[in-house]
Amino acid sequence: QVHLQESGPGLVKPSQTLSLTCTVSSGSITRGDYYWTWIRLHPGQGLEWIGYIFYSGTTYYNPSLKSRGSILIDTSKSQFFLRLTSVTAADTAVYYCARGVATPGPTFDSWGQGTLVTVSS
Amino acid sequence: DIQMTQSPSSLSASVGDRATITCRASQSISNYLNWYQLKPGKAPKLLISAASSLQSGVPSRFSGSGSGTDFTLTISSLQPEDFATYYCQQSYGTPYTFGRGTKLEIK
Repeated sequence: QVHLQESGPGLVKPSQTLSLTCTVSSGSITRGDYYWTWIRLHPGQGLEWIGYIFYSGTTYYNPSLKSRGSILIDTSKSQFFLRLTSVTAADTAVYYCARGVATPGPTFDSWGQGTLVTVSS
Repeated sequence: DIQMTQSPSSLSASVGDRATITCRASQSISNYLNWYQLKPGKAPKLLISAASSLQSGVPSRFSGSGSGTDFTLTISSLQPEDFATYYCQQSYGTPYTFGRGTKLEIK
């Protein structure tokens, strides 16, 4: 059974870049039909899909990020990454990485436990 | 964007009760609707995909129904481990969007 684990700093200063890593174990990151995804949960609000990447490197992002987000993948390390630039307090959230499978649209069938990122000076 | 309106936002119930959560899409999404369970500090869990397909390992007291714009998640007899927050998600089109969540609390 695939396992996903987020890692990265829990505190980021405003205007800086948030960087998170998701390590995938017990599963193949190179299957072409998996969507390697980032999702966040804002405090007291709902879930927000950030974007995903295929093992080929093709990416799709939520336009709400206004081009601040980028997702990268390193198949040799079974990891994928989130970079979010110019962060503000509105980016404070629990960040989850997840695997999406096509059913046919992406259904997120495996998730990490999430990591809280606080944006504050 | 497709808006997902979930109700109620919170629900107080007792063990053994039946709980029903609804989700309405702002446009038809066929059956491209998934349900998740979230608990603090735990990995979110996919319960139901494609509106009504129960995931392997999920108890049969969970069921989903609906198509088009209106969907329902039903828990037939609440167990202590079911008290959590539930979210619907549409996988019809980008950006993929979620409902605002329903917090199911013990009465």
